[in-house]
Amino acid sequence: TQLLEQSPQFLSIQEGENLTVYCNSSSVFSSLQWYRQEPGEGPVLLVTVVTGGEVKKLKRLTFQFGDARKDSSLHITAAQPGDTGLYLCAGARGNTPLVFGKGTRLSVIA
Amino acid sequence: NAGVTQTPKFRILKIGQSMTLQCTQDMNHNYMYWYRQDPGMGLKLIYYSVGAGITDKGEVPNGYNVSRSTTEDFPLRLELAAPSQTSVYFCASSYDRGEQYFGPGTRLTVT
Repeated sequence: TQLLEQSPQFLSIQEGENLTVYCNSSSVFSSLQWYRQEPGEGPVLLVTVVTGGEVKKLKRLTFQFGDARKDSSLHITAAQPGDTGLYLCAGARGNTPLVFGKGTRLSVIA
Repeated sequence: NAGVTQTPKFRILKIGQSMTLQCTQDMNHNYMYWYRQDPGMGLKLIYYSVGAGITDKGEVPNGYNVSRSTTEDFPLRLELAAPSQTSVYFCASSYDRGEQYFGPGTRLTVT
């Protein structure tokens, strides 16, 4: 059983379109992080959300943590080819290592 | 600051050979991790360490060993390489159990 479910698994869109990807769980997390991984590289942290209902913006990316701290979403406005990559969410719980989802692979076509 | 460095970048092993993947971080992080990432998949935790001298198993530890003699270094050892260990290996470190900083990865092929 995957603790963090990410959807969709794959997404291919045209440049300029908007999109939302989701990270869902039945467990509560003390914080949740989003990473982006470009081909051939390691994941890079984009944001950490800590408070239920929290919204953070990073240029065209908007991250939201669910009120119950069980889920999160990432919304990209006017996607660009540079947004292409694997988006991973990861949740922190207690004394255990971060739990990673399997990721959403985004392809933005010019 | 170099962050997290990994060597080698690429390696091809024959079945049954052994090798050590090196990982070093210069951020004075206590926590270090080894993950493997199979093609098109997410990350699976192999081993982790919460400080020098302390290591613990992750989700997929079989076929691997680790040691943590210093804060900076966290090598991963493959004793008898198998084709199932073909993967990309990422080392990461963190100050606490939160945000992780990843190295560039080692691409390993076992044939």
